[in-house]
Amino acid sequence: KQEVTQIPAALSVPEGENLVLNCSFTDSAIYNLQWFRQDPGKGLTSLLLIQSSQREQTSGRLNASLDKSSGRSTLYIAASQPGDSATYLCAVHTSGTYKYIFGTGTRLKVLA
Amino acid sequence: NAGVTQTPKFQVLKTGQSMTLQCAQDMNHNSMYWYRQDPGMGLRLIYYSASEGTTDKGEVPNGYNVSRLNKREFSLRLESAAPSQTSVYFCASSGGYNNQPQHFGDGTRLSIL
Repeated sequence: KQEVTQIPAALSVPEGENLVLNCSFTDSAIYNLQWFRQDPGKGLTSLLLIQSSQREQTSGRLNASLDKSSGRSTLYIAASQPGDSATYLCAVHTSGTYKYIFGTGTRLKVLA
Repeated sequence: NAGVTQTPKFQVLKTGQSMTLQCAQDMNHNSMYWYRQDPGMGLRLIYYSASEGTTDKGEVPNGYNVSRLNKREFSLRLESAAPSQTSVYFCASSGGYNNQPQHFGDGTRLSIL
């Protein structure tokens, strides 16, 4: 059974710092891994999707990497800003299923 | 740019009442999903519909029923609401079987007294 873990659960950093969020999963047979952002009281916004054959994806100040063999993905945020404060979730699409399994998220606070 | 639309946004029910949460997407997606989000537990899949005419159970289906009314609409029904079903409910859709991102609605905040 696929399990997805995100560490740390919460993180506070000063503005301008580069930071890394971690996501690990137990079953490497995946189609893709998706990173989301969730603001308080809101839905999930898709940030990046990495296919199983890819090593990384970039969008602006965000870079997501995938190491399928070790069951790990990282989301790198460059030059963090207070507007980046949110909860970040990763979700794994397990091969042979239509199901996405979510981690419990990392709550990020960027201090001005 | 509607994407995935959920109604209602908020609802308070009494134990034993029934209600249906509505979800519609305008992206011509094949697959649709219902999740619940509870503090400390992340998102858990209730039911999903891989394509029009099919539905399957997720991790936590007990106490819920779904209907894939057509390609656009996927509803979630609580037949006899219980306090344990107090949660935030999210509907999502995706284009197909693999390598298609999920798109989420804004959620329905449901309280059961």
